[in-house]
Amino acid sequence: EDQVTQSPEALRLQEGESSSLNCSYTVSGLRGLFWYRQDPGKGPEFLFTLYSAGEEKEKERLKATLTKKESFLHITAPKPEDSATYLCAVQKSLASGSRLTFGEGTQLTVNP
Amino acid sequence: KAGVTQTPRYLIKTRGQQVTLSCSPISGHRSVSWYQQTPGQGLQFLFEYFSETQRNKGNFPGRFSGRQFSNSRSEMNVSTLELGDSALYLCASSLISGREQFFGPGTRLTVL
Repeated sequence: EDQVTQSPEALRLQEGESSSLNCSYTVSGLRGLFWYRQDPGKGPEFLFTLYSAGEEKEKERLKATLTKKESFLHITAPKPEDSATYLCAVQKSLASGSRLTFGEGTQLTVNP
Repeated sequence: KAGVTQTPRYLIKTRGQQVTLSCSPISGHRSVSWYQQTPGQGLQFLFEYFSETQRNKGNFPGRFSGRQFSNSRSEMNVSTLELGDSALYLCASSLISGREQFFGPGTRLTVL
C-alpha cells in the first residue's frame, strides 16, 4: 500500500532560522511528488512538482529536492508569512490519473 | 484567471439527508478531482472526472458519487449522510488528467 510520511508533525522556527521538512514515501512506480501549502480554512496551494531523483525546484525562500525514497522542503531565512501547513503528495502512475496520496502534513510556525 | 470555485462554502445537514456540492474548475481545465479532508484522516482522494467520465475512484462507499458536465463543472453528491461525513470537501482541477492540481477553497460540511 502506498504510504507518505511527513516529519516533523509540527515545527516552530524563529524568523530567519532555516530548516527542512521531510517527506518519505513508499510507492511503486512513482510518477510525481507534489508539495502544497495550506493556510487555515483554505484549500491547498500548489508549490512544486518533482518527477525524478536528483531534481530540485526553487521558489522564493523554498527549495524542494527529491531522492528515490524521500523529498525535502528546505526553507531558507523564513518569515512569519511562511507559517502554514506544508503537505506532500505522491502520484503513482499515469494510470492513476490525478489521484494523489497525501501525507499528514507539517505545521510550520515562524515567530517574529 | 479565476481560480477554482466551490459552492456552497458552508453547509449544515442532519443525519440521513443528502447533499450536493458544486465545483467550477479553472477555465480550460478538463480534469476535476474531489478530496475529503478531516483532522483524523487527512486529505483522501474521492474520485476524478475527466471529459465527463469518472477516471479514478478512491476507497469510499457508494453513498459518495459525482458527475461532470460538458463545461467541465462538477458536482459531488453524498446520500444518507452520517456524522463521520463531516469534513472539508475540496475540489481540484488540472489542465489534463495527471498534471498539477489547483485546489478550491473547499466546502465545509457539518452533519448533525
